[in-house]
Amino acid sequence: EAGVVQSPRYKIIEKKQPVAFWCNPISGHNTLYWYLQNLGQGPELLIRYENEEAVDDSQLPKDRFSAERLKGVDSTLKIQPAELGDSAVYLCASSFSGNTIYFGEGSWLTVV
Amino acid sequence: GEDVEQSLFLSVREGDSSVINCTYTDSSSTYLYWYKQEPGAGLQLLTYIFSNMDMKQDQRLTVLLNKKDKHLSLRIADTQTGDSAIYFCAEMNTGSQGNLIFGKGTKLSVKP
Repeated sequence: EAGVVQSPRYKIIEKKQPVAFWCNPISGHNTLYWYLQNLGQGPELLIRYENEEAVDDSQLPKDRFSAERLKGVDSTLKIQPAELGDSAVYLCASSFSGNTIYFGEGSWLTVV
Repeated sequence: GEDVEQSLFLSVREGDSSVINCTYTDSSSTYLYWYKQEPGAGLQLLTYIFSNMDMKQDQRLTVLLNKKDKHLSLRIADTQTGDSAIYFCAEMNTGSQGNLIFGKGTKLSVKP
């Protein structure tokens, strides 16, 4: 069974440019998460979806970050415009019923 | 607020046992998790324990939970060089509404 798939794996962009990350969760998983992992830190939740509904986006910086999960499957996380401090790993995760949460390989962003 | 604490580094010799410790603050934790992160990779779910259990064993991994002291440990028997990675402790509780709260991770170095 395929795990959580993310793309791109690595991205280098100049500050003020936009960037988008895509996530395909494990088949049948209704809950999808985006986590942010800064260097040397544990992941922190950005947004959680139950099917297509964003049930917790309290930690998402809405001035520059946006996310969507159309049709309750794949999800996209966008940053516009990117800032130097956005350099981090963006992790997508999914679960069914929320007890066991599986992560993708992450999208590693460098803003220069 | 919710907090998960881990020591940052652990160094062991190949073949020895490794014990990684974690403390958490929220007594309403329902599940506690251990994830492994290798360089350049996402988080791999190693094991988890429900809060009404005090021990769980899975091959070389043993998880001990002391609910009274809010202390969780992961023991890796016969540690191998391939076990070198960062290990994250995480909790889920009713307050976090299905979201994981992570520690900063313990970097395990295994010396041959």
